[in-house]
Amino acid sequence: EVQLVESGGGMVRPGGSLRLSCAASGFTFDDYGMAWVRQVPGRGLEWVAGIHWNGGSTGDADSVKGRFTISRDNVKNLLYLQMNGLRVEDTALYYCARVDYYDFLGGGRFYYMVVWGKGTTVAVS
Amino acid sequence: DIQMTQSPSSLSASVGDRVTINCRASQTVTNYLNWYQQHPGKAPKLLIYAASTLHSGVPSRFSGSGSGTDFTLTITNLQPEDFATYYCQQSYRAPRSFGQGTKLEIK
Repeated sequence: EVQLVESGGGMVRPGGSLRLSCAASGFTFDDYGMAWVRQVPGRGLEWVAGIHWNGGSTGDADSVKGRFTISRDNVKNLLYLQMNGLRVEDTALYYCARVDYYDFLGGGRFYYMVVWGKGTTVAVS
Repeated sequence: DIQMTQSPSSLSASVGDRVTINCRASQTVTNYLNWYQQHPGKAPKLLIYAASTLHSGVPSRFSGSGSGTDFTLTITNLQPEDFATYYCQQSYRAPRSFGQGTKLEIK
């Protein structure tokens, strides 16, 4: 079964740090890009950060640039999000997602997210 | 960064109705546009990618259209399970931003 399981969330003071992990199973992890997406309770989805299969970044949201770092371990099938300098506004449910893609004939690689974890909650106060 | 704006923010409809949800990008994203559905307490579910390509297993009452900066998600013959929040997302340029969501409620 294809599965993503996030962990590492918790309560932290402003200015503190946390490292989120996402354990992948049921698929060849290093065949896919991955991403973190967050959601404040009752609010919309926000792209946080993405990473290519080989570790290259696919871009961070302006709101987290310089504070959050996405990384991965393709041997352990783990995705990470190191969060430093946490702010109250970083409080959210953090989802890990697999980035799939489709190559159209004639060009164009279209990325989208089909597999999502259940999320881990980060509370900054 | 590319900003995505959805309209309306919420709408009410009845089972059997046809509804449209709009998404506008702050700059062209050609057809690099995805649509997701999210029910409360659940992770998002992909409906459409490349603006108009239905993801496998998604009912044909869902359809997407548009290119450049303006896109539309249309749901015909609304079913009870379609009442949820819908998000667009551009995958043209990093960071791959989302719209703020459109909540579809039962009238």
